[in-house]
Amino acid sequence: EDQVTQSPEALRLQEGESSSLNCSYTVSGLRGLFWYRQDPGKGPEFLFTLYSAGEEKEKERLKATLTKKESFLHITAPKPEDSATYLCAVQAGPSYDKVIFGPGTSLSVIP
Amino acid sequence: KAGVTQTPRYLIKTRGQQVTLSCSPISGHRSVSWYQQTPGQGLQFLFEYFSETQRNKGNFPGRFSGRQFSNSRSEMNVSTLELGDSALYLCASSFTSGLQETQYFGPGTRLLVL
Repeated sequence: EDQVTQSPEALRLQEGESSSLNCSYTVSGLRGLFWYRQDPGKGPEFLFTLYSAGEEKEKERLKATLTKKESFLHITAPKPEDSATYLCAVQAGPSYDKVIFGPGTSLSVIP
Repeated sequence: KAGVTQTPRYLIKTRGQQVTLSCSPISGHRSVSWYQQTPGQGLQFLFEYFSETQRNKGNFPGRFSGRQFSNSRSEMNVSTLELGDSALYLCASSFTSGLQETQYFGPGTRLLVL
């Protein structure tokens, strides 16, 4: 069964304490993996798209990497404004017609 | 550049009624996708439209339908509303440059079914 899981479910970090979020997937015919952040009461904000194993993308304090089974979102020296729910999603299937979201990781960065 | 707009922002309906939600994408974007977000199921993909054609469809019953107009604006319709349809409905527009797809979400329409 196609599935996307994320860990941990919730993460509390001190400001400046780097860490990684995980997105694991079991799908066939992966077209791309997407990362988003979502603030309470708002629509998701697109962060990255990764298409092939070994690919890396960076944006400010965030770096996303992709392997054949999972993706990591590394947060370097986080700040309180990085607090949000981080979602990953995959687009897959023989016609790339499946879009499956993970449940998200709720990140809190404490000053 | 204006972002993705969705109307209405909030809506209250009763069971059995139908509802139409509207999404205006960013100017120049031809792809519009719709999603349902609930606390229990999280974010789920409904469908995607590109140049007035439905390109992909998620695993939702036929009560959920959509369409896209020639100006890329899109509407989503839910008929015979059920309590479980209460959710935040999100629309996103996207563009592709080379192989890179970038997506922008609207603020959502919060639907409450009583």
